[in-house]
Order: sequence, then structure tokens, then C-alpha cells
Amino acid sequence: GEDVEQSLFLSVREGDSSVINCTYTDSSSTYLYWYKQEPGAGLQLLTYIFSNMDMKQDQRLTVLLNKKDKHLSLRIADTQTGDSAIYFCAEKPSYIPTFGRGTSLIVHP
Amino acid sequence: DAGVTQSPTHLIKTRGQQVTLRCSPKSGHDTVSWYQQALGQGPQFIFQYYEEEERQRGNFPDRFSGHQFPNYSSELNVNALLLGDSALYLCASSPGTGAGNTIYFGEGSWLTVV
Repeated sequence: GEDVEQSLFLSVREGDSSVINCTYTDSSSTYLYWYKQEPGAGLQLLTYIFSNMDMKQDQRLTVLLNKKDKHLSLRIADTQTGDSAIYFCAEKPSYIPTFGRGTSLIVHP
Repeated sequence: DAGVTQSPTHLIKTRGQQVTLRCSPKSGHDTVSWYQQALGQGPQFIFQYYEEEERQRGNFPDRFSGHQFPNYSSELNVNALLLGDSALYLCASSPGTGAGNTIYFGEGSWLTVV
């Protein structure tokens, strides 16, 4: 995951918005992904964005892409305790995605 | 519609032994990839199978091998297990190998080597 960087932890209060940030290196990445991993489970695809888009919204999730700075963010509105998990950013410049180390989101009451 | 299924969910092996992990892809998917996820790390790509052949390989030794069957299911084999092989092994499937094809993951197989 050395090509994809994420902060390791984020702590928010229930009901607030969470913003998880990611930087990637390969400007040829056509798709960028966000996956969620709950304790002891596999990775669940949350959303993805095509590189010709700047923003994508899906219910409580908003993805922002800044291609110039190679920066991707995931905003979760009205964060709930069930959103507590590890969130992985992934770039996919060719056939194989490269993952970051993941950001642990902790939601407290 | 069943998603990606893996077996076994947990297993413990002794150093030097061999292990086989199994994966059935999501319905309609013909491409299977395997990843190793060590504790506190993101998934690391091991290899990808399409049309029963290994198409892409990550930076893993030859002790890691695989197979894909005509029904698209797949196995991951690891020989001469080391303590450092302890990890969550994730199988992922996609409809083809194209860059635009989204990858879906199974729940993983937890391997502990003692």
C-alpha cells in the first residue's frame, strides 16, 4: 500500500460528519474505490468514482476527487456507530487495485 | 445472488505444513484474485486467475500457487508455511480482467501459523 496513503485513525461523535482522506500516486488510475471492512470481515465495496468525475454522491456518502493533487476523500454524513470500521482507499491504474493501509473510523456517542 | 464465498473461515497450521484455501466467485464473474492482508495492513495482491490461467502475479514467492477450475472457482495453495504467512486471505472476483471491472471481496480465510 505504499502508493496509497491514508491517515490511520479518525474519531468522530455520532451525528457529526466524517471525512476520510487519501492520496494516491498513479495519475493514470481510471477508477478509485472506497471499501469498508468491519472487524473480522472481508472488504465491502462502498463506492467508486471514475477519474473524469470530481464528485459522486450516494445517500450519506460523498466522494470528492482532486486529480491535480491526486487526492480522494470520503465524506460520511450523520455518522452512526454502525459506521465504525476500517475504510480503505484503492487506486486501479490497470488491472490490479492498490490499497492503502486503511483508516480506522471510531464513532463515539 | 450469492456473493464471493470462501472456505474455511478459520484454520490453524503448523510451520512447514501446506494449506489449501477455496473460493467461489460471485455469480456471473469469471475472474478471481487472491490477496493477503496482514494485521494492520491493506490487502496485498497475490495473483489473478482468468480462463484457468494465472494472468497477473504480485510480489509473492513460488510457495504461493493457485488454480482455477472450469466453473471459475479457485484454490490458493501455500507450501512450507512460515509464521509470517499468518494473515487474512481474501478472494475477490470480477466480471473479466478489464481495468473498469469492479472487484468484490469475500469474507476471507483467517490463517494462523504456529
